[in-house]
Order: sequence, then C-alpha cells, then structure tokens
Amino acid sequence: NAGVTQTPKFQVLKTGQSMTLQCAQDMNHEYMSWYRQDPGMGLRLIHYSVGAGITDQGEVPNGYNVSRSTTEDFPLRLLSAAPSQTSVYFCASSQIRGSGYTFGSGTRLTVV
Amino acid sequence: SQQGEEDPQALSIQEGENATMNCSYKTSINNLQWYRQNSGRGLVHLILIRSNEREKHSGRLRVTLDTSKKSSSLLITASRAADTASYFCATATQGAQKLVFGQGTRLTINP
Repeated sequence: NAGVTQTPKFQVLKTGQSMTLQCAQDMNHEYMSWYRQDPGMGLRLIHYSVGAGITDQGEVPNGYNVSRSTTEDFPLRLLSAAPSQTSVYFCASSQIRGSGYTFGSGTRLTVV
Repeated sequence: SQQGEEDPQALSIQEGENATMNCSYKTSINNLQWYRQNSGRGLVHLILIRSNEREKHSGRLRVTLDTSKKSSSLLITASRAADTASYFCATATQGAQKLVFGQGTRLTINP
C-alpha cells in the first residue's frame, strides 16, 4: 500500500500564481485533512473532510480551497499565492472517528 | 489559536534516561494523540488516549491524561538515539473529526 501520497514534493511559485497540491490515499479512509507547518508554529489545520462531498474549515483556511469528490483524493488549491503561504504542507487521513492519522511526506512550497 | 501547548519546547538528555513531555489544552476533547516527526519527514502516529482513559502504554511509551487539568504527558523510557525527533500532541474535538496540533517538543538524545 502506498498510504498517503502528496505531489509535488517541492514547488516554487511566483506571487499571484495559483496551483493545486495533490493528495491521494489508497486506504479507503473517510477522514482527510490538510495542515501547514511553519517554524515555531507547529502544524495548523487548513481544511478537513469527513467524507466525499463534505468539507469544513480549520484554523487557517483563508487563501485555500478544497473539494472532496472521491474518497481517495483531497486536493488543496491556492487561489493566488502569497509569500505568507511559504510553508510545508501535509495531508493526512484517518479511517474512522477517534483513530490516529496517517501523514503524507509533505510538499515544500516557496512563494517568491 | 492552537489548542495544545507542549512543554518543554526543547529537551536534551543522555541515552538510556527517561524523557517526559507535557501537553496542555484548552477545550473539552474526544481524544488526545501523540505524534513523532523526524527532521524533514511526515508525522508518525504513536499513541491515542480517549477522554475516559487515564493512562495508556505502548512499548516504551506511557501516556497519561488528566481531563480535570486539561493536560497530558508522554514518557519515553530507556531513550535511544533513534528517539531524537520532534513530538507533538494533538487533540480531537467536534466528535473527533477535527485534529488540532500543539507546537511540539524537540527531543535530542545524546550518545
């Protein structure tokens, strides 16, 4: 099993550009989440989903959109990249309510 | 604002010693989880303790939860160099659907 796969691993964007960070899991997990990790800030929740067609906002949703059309995929869209969105982004999934999450290896994004 | 706060922010001990990390949180929770992150890697789930549990063990890990004080501790016994990593607590709220992390403790095990 591949687990949680994030692509790309590295990306450099110019201010104002848009892009989609991909996240796919092959474990049939219902719950999926996106986090960003900045130095000294730990992980902050951007958006999460409890199943196909259901998403909700986390702690820092501004500037990001998500959709969940299938159980497997949970892409994160940056609408108009800003330097403040320079960060490492992690996608995670969980099988059921109240169980641990499996994390992807992350996408390191730099906005210049 | 983040739910959990870990203490200390950094901890350095000798190999073989025990390491204790603490986590405090603000609101009622469904469960509390601990994760490890090696430098530059994704997080790995270590252990989960539910709000109605007080203590849980997994190998060299021992987790306690005090819901009256809104705090948890992670004890790693007989530390090894491979335990060097950052450790995060995360609290599950809103029916355990939402997982929010603290800022982490950076643990260094010296040989």
